[in-house]
Amino acid sequence: DQQVKQNSPSLSVQEGRISILNCDYTNSMFDYFLWYKKYPAEGPTFLISISSIKDKNEDGRFTVFLNKSAKHLSLHIVPSQPGDSAVYFCAATTSGTYKYIFGTGTRLKVLA
Amino acid sequence: EAQVTQNPRYLITVTGKKLTVTCSQNMNHEYMSWYRQDPGLGLRQIYYSMNVEVTDKGDVPEGYKVSRKEKRNFPLILESPSPNQTSLYFCASSLDGGYYGYTFGSGTRLTVV
Repeated sequence: DQQVKQNSPSLSVQEGRISILNCDYTNSMFDYFLWYKKYPAEGPTFLISISSIKDKNEDGRFTVFLNKSAKHLSLHIVPSQPGDSAVYFCAATTSGTYKYIFGTGTRLKVLA
Repeated sequence: EAQVTQNPRYLITVTGKKLTVTCSQNMNHEYMSWYRQDPGLGLRQIYYSMNVEVTDKGDVPEGYKVSRKEKRNFPLILESPSPNQTSLYFCASSLDGGYYGYTFGSGTRLTVV
């Protein structure tokens, strides 16, 4: 049972445009969500997180939106740059458990 | 440089031969965790540790053991590896339980034949 789903395995976007990566979850107990970026042959790198008490969190070019009623979160990258080409994972947890469930990842390709 | 160091980076072994993948962090983090990454399955948590001598199972703990005798080290032990444990393994550490992100190591690619 996949509790965290990233239904788009890949996404291509032109440089300078917006990239929108989506993530759905099924467990209503999740109250903290994170996005990681992963380049080949490297470990994932933390990008941004959001608590369920918020519906938006912004950090530079990266914004995460959380829609609790739809159990959906999205990562917006504006403007997209070629260096953003990577696999993006969303992850979810319930506070105090330290157990993290990751999605299967979306490969983003930013075209120059 | 603040980092999580895993060794080895690559390992090929035979079924049943015990092995240990080491993990060390130099950031004085209390929380550490092991993940495996498989195609189509994303990252799955194997074990995590909240402090010295405190560990707990993640999503896929079967066939693995861990220990946390010192704060900086969190080795992953495969007592009797099997081919279905062929995977890419990541160790990670965090100051806050991961809410502001884990710092990951570079990975260990394990092949069990």
